[in-house]
Amino acid sequence: QVQLQESGPGLVKPSQTLSLTCTVSGGSISSGGYYWSWIRQHPGKGLEWIGYIYYSGSTYYNPSLKSRVTISVDTSKNQFSLKLSSVTAADTAVYYCARGPVITMIVVVIGYFDYWGQGTLVTVSS
Amino acid sequence: EIVLTQSPGTLSLSPGERATLSCRASQSVSSSYLAWYQQKPGQAPRLLIYGASSRATGIPDRFSGSGSGTDFTLTISRLEPEDFAVYYCQQYGSSLFGPGTKVDIK
Repeated sequence: QVQLQESGPGLVKPSQTLSLTCTVSGGSISSGGYYWSWIRQHPGKGLEWIGYIYYSGSTYYNPSLKSRVTISVDTSKNQFSLKLSSVTAADTAVYYCARGPVITMIVVVIGYFDYWGQGTLVTVSS
Repeated sequence: EIVLTQSPGTLSLSPGERATLSCRASQSVSSSYLAWYQQKPGQAPRLLIYGASSRATGIPDRFSGSGSGTDFTLTISRLEPEDFAVYYCQQYGSSLFGPGTKVDIK
């Protein structure tokens, strides 16, 4: 059974960089066949996909966040990470990491998400 | 850009009743790249349906998905107490989520 667990600071100051890590157990990121994503949910609101990374290091980001987002992978630790720069109060949300099967590599298809972490609330406040 | 609309916003039903949730896209969804998720308070979303009609692993057969093009439906044949939750559709070509439908107890 694949499990994902987010970790990182729950409070970030405005203009700083939000950093989160997702640790994967029960499966190897290096095995391929899956994209590893970050998704967020503003309090009481819907879901917003942030971006994904493949085990090779290739990434794809939501165009609305692309200028501020970096996702990286450490296959030796079976982890992937999110950095979101220049945060504001609008970035306050529950952040989830998730796994999704690769649908096709011919064109960009983000895919659905079959395993999720429990989520971590990140508050942006001074 | 595709916009997803879910209706109704809230569905008030009793256990044992049938729930029919709608997800409408502003443009045709390629290759039925449509998924449904269930989310309970304080929990992560749970994948129910992908490919518009394929049940995810471990999902009871009272959940079914149908539709193509721009109109998709999630049906819960007989509501169990644990089914009262918020349901989201997702167009996963570009990973856009709908606003959700809350199914609450009447």
